[in-house]
Amino acid sequence: DQQVKQNSPSLSVQEGRISILNCDYTNSMFDYFLWYKKYPAEGPTFLISISSIKDKNEDGRFTVFLNKSAKHLSLHIVPSQPGDSAVYFCAASYSNYQLIWGAGTKLIIKP
Amino acid sequence: NAGVTQTPKFRVLKTGQSMTLLCAQDMNHEYMYWYRQDPGMGLRLIHYSVGEGTTAKGEVPDGYNVSRLKKQNFLLGLESAAPSQTSVYFCASRRTSGSYNEQFFGPGTRLTVL
Repeated sequence: DQQVKQNSPSLSVQEGRISILNCDYTNSMFDYFLWYKKYPAEGPTFLISISSIKDKNEDGRFTVFLNKSAKHLSLHIVPSQPGDSAVYFCAASYSNYQLIWGAGTKLIIKP
Repeated sequence: NAGVTQTPKFRVLKTGQSMTLLCAQDMNHEYMYWYRQDPGMGLRLIHYSVGEGTTAKGEVPDGYNVSRLKKQNFLLGLESAAPSQTSVYFCASRRTSGSYNEQFFGPGTRLTVL
């Protein structure tokens, strides 16, 4: 039973345009959501997060939106840059210890 | 400040062999985690620790054991390796306060069991 789903295994976006990565979840008890970025042969690195009491969080080119009624969150990257090419993981938490991870979306930024 | 380091980076085992993966962090973090990542899947939690001398099971603990004898180290053991344990293993740590649930990851260990 996948509690966190990233239904797009890959996404290709032109440099300079907006990248939108999506994530759906099933557990209404999740209270915190995080996005991580992963380059090949490296560990994931934290990108941005959002609490369930908010609907938007922004950090530079990155914005995360949360729609609790739809159990959906999205990560917007504007403008997309070549260095953004990576695998992006969505993760959710309902306790202070554990994260539940999506399968990841590979983002490819085309020059 | 090296962050989270993992030893070794690569390893090939034969079925039935044993090995220990070492994770070390120099950030004085209380919590440490071991994950595995398989193709097409997200990270799955194997075991975790909320402090020195404590361990707990995660989502996929079978076939693995862990120990946290020192705060900075978290060891993952495979007593009798199986081909199903072929995976990339990541260690992570986090502090108890501050950024809620942000985990810092090591570079990973790629393990192949033949």
